[in-house]
Amino acid sequence: DVKVTQSSRYLVKRTGEKVFLECVQDMDHENMFWYRQDPGLGLRLIYFSYDVKMKEKGDIPEGYSVSREKKERFSLILESASTNQTSMYLCASSRRTSEETQYFGPGTRLLVL
Amino acid sequence: AQKITQTQPGMFVQEKEAVTLDCTYDTSDQSYGLFWYKQPSSGEMIFLIYQGSYDEQNATEGRYSLNFQKARKSANLVISASQLGDSAMYFCAMREGLNSKLTFGKGITLSVRP
Repeated sequence: DVKVTQSSRYLVKRTGEKVFLECVQDMDHENMFWYRQDPGLGLRLIYFSYDVKMKEKGDIPEGYSVSREKKERFSLILESASTNQTSMYLCASSRRTSEETQYFGPGTRLLVL
Repeated sequence: AQKITQTQPGMFVQEKEAVTLDCTYDTSDQSYGLFWYKQPSSGEMIFLIYQGSYDEQNATEGRYSLNFQKARKSANLVISASQLGDSAMYFCAMREGLNSKLTFGKGITLSVRP
């Protein structure tokens, strides 16, 4: 079974803190994704990576950066957390083949105070 | 224009009955794929079913089937014989061309009544 894990289920941070969200997948997938999910807005893509050290901006990259130093790990970084980044963050991975589904992690609920 | 539209805000269905969750999409690509995911209250996204734009048959996976009407650009999810465990949020998503990225709709909440 594909497994995608995220470092925390719940996280509370203060405004201005640097926040790292880690995602690890164990299926040797080329693609990895970070989404945020807000009520009434569905899932919105923040960043996407199709290979080690490669990344593409998604629909809402402002205020975020990412790092992919190893194939299995994709990190989302909030350089200076703000209250409007309070959200549910979902990581996903998939094979390069476009017909493949994405496999999701359990999500991280981040609260920025 | 929204690429994926899910307009039903919330749906209720009696246990053991069938329910249809609507999804319309907008794309100019000839090659695309449509996905449905389930998200229970625990938060994880569970893949349910996939339909490719060139697939001639409607996709089916157990109690899930996809009513694909290409001319209408709709890809409705049909759940037969609803169970209490089907209560969740359901998302429709689309992949366009060879792109691996998905565009998601805003989701529909389904509540199954005993």
